[in-house]
Amino acid sequence: DVKVTQSSRYLVKRTGEKVFLECVQDMDHENMFWYRQDPGLGLRLIYFSYDVKMKEKGDIPEGYSVSREKKERFSLILESASTNQTSMYLCASRLHPVNYGYTFGSGTRLTVV
Amino acid sequence: DAKTTQPPSMDCAEGRAANLPCNHSTISGNEYVYWYRQIHSQGPQYIIHGLKNNETNEMASLIITEDRKSSTLILPHATLRDTAVYYCIVRVEAGNTPLVFGKGTRLSVIA
Repeated sequence: DVKVTQSSRYLVKRTGEKVFLECVQDMDHENMFWYRQDPGLGLRLIYFSYDVKMKEKGDIPEGYSVSREKKERFSLILESASTNQTSMYLCASRLHPVNYGYTFGSGTRLTVV
Repeated sequence: DAKTTQPPSMDCAEGRAANLPCNHSTISGNEYVYWYRQIHSQGPQYIIHGLKNNETNEMASLIITEDRKSSTLILPHATLRDTAVYYCIVRVEAGNTPLVFGKGTRLSVIA
């Protein structure tokens, strides 16, 4: 089975800090995604990547950036964390380009204080 | 992409079949119906997908109406572990655009 591993399950950071959320998948998937999930708003796409060194903005990229230096790793970066970025962050991967078989990680619950 | 409509919540007795409906009246001929579910505090999990024929796997069955304007996900013998939010998504089989998850149906399986 494909495993998508997010480095932290819970994270508490201070306002203004630079925050790195790491995601690693072990099945050589080309595509990787970052979503955030908030009560009442569902999952919203932040950024995605079709392949190494490629990135595309999703629906809510403001305040975030990403890095994909290796195929298996996709990092989400909060340049200067703010309280409105407190959320559950979910990473996913899929074998390009099929829409079935997205595999998600367990999520990182980030609290910015 | 075709829009989907799902009830916000449903209850089901443990051991009974759970039938989760989804309306997608604007579906195009090349669009599939995908179902994912999200158990509390986990990421979404793929369940099943189909084009026009009924589909079954070890997790569930998918029934798509002949006009393809609606579908039903069936969990034949619901257990407490099936309590989750279920997402119905309509999308072509392959493409570059990422999946968009709506609000889904919150299924509560009751003992």
